[in-house]
Amino acid sequence: QVQLQESGPGLVKPSETLSLTCAVSGYSISMSYYWGWVRQSPLQGLEWIAVIFYTGRTYYNPSLRSRATISRDTSKNQFSLHLTSVTASDTAIYYCVREGLRGFYFDSWGQGTLVTVSS
Amino acid sequence: QSALTQPPSASGSPGQSVTISCTGTSSDVGAYNYVSWYQQHPDKAPKLLIYEVTNRPSGVPDRFSGSKSGNTAYLTVSGLQAEDEADYYCSSYAGSDTGVFGTGTKVTVL
Repeated sequence: QVQLQESGPGLVKPSETLSLTCAVSGYSISMSYYWGWVRQSPLQGLEWIAVIFYTGRTYYNPSLRSRATISRDTSKNQFSLHLTSVTASDTAIYYCVREGLRGFYFDSWGQGTLVTVSS
Repeated sequence: QSALTQPPSASGSPGQSVTISCTGTSSDVGAYNYVSWYQQHPDKAPKLLIYEVTNRPSGVPDRFSGSKSGNTAYLTVSGLQAEDEADYYCSSYAGSDTGVFGTGTKVTVL
């Protein structure tokens, strides 16, 4: 059974870069599926951020494309998110997720990590 | 991309059925059979209930069912139970390798 676990700072200053890592166990991220990030805030609701295919190809939400980078380390079976120039509106619970091979659905979720943007 | 529209709340008594709508456009819900539904209990991560409009992952009770008509998708919870009280979200593929979530519906079991 696949398990995902987010890690990273819970507090980021405005204009700085938010960096999160998702450690995956029970499945190799280089075998199949998309692997990515979804965030949730009271203001924005659920928002898809980005995914990386098992081949390494990346896909981004157009509204975040200019600030987001998703990458992976297959040797550690983990993937990461970097979001630059953060503002208070980036405050959210960030989930790492596994996306099905077709159809934009997420069948496995991490427990989520709260990231607050504040000085 | 705009969020899919869901009613803020819905309710029903134990044993009854409740149906939640998810309205999009001809560019997302209406264009693809790629609608999914999620259940989220307080302080928990969302859980996949339905994918590709009507399919249930292993382990999801058949009390949960999905359908679609035009630009609107529906989630029906039959035989409502106390543990079904939660927030429910829909999502849809929107083309160009992107997708969108719904605004969420809080279901109350009376």
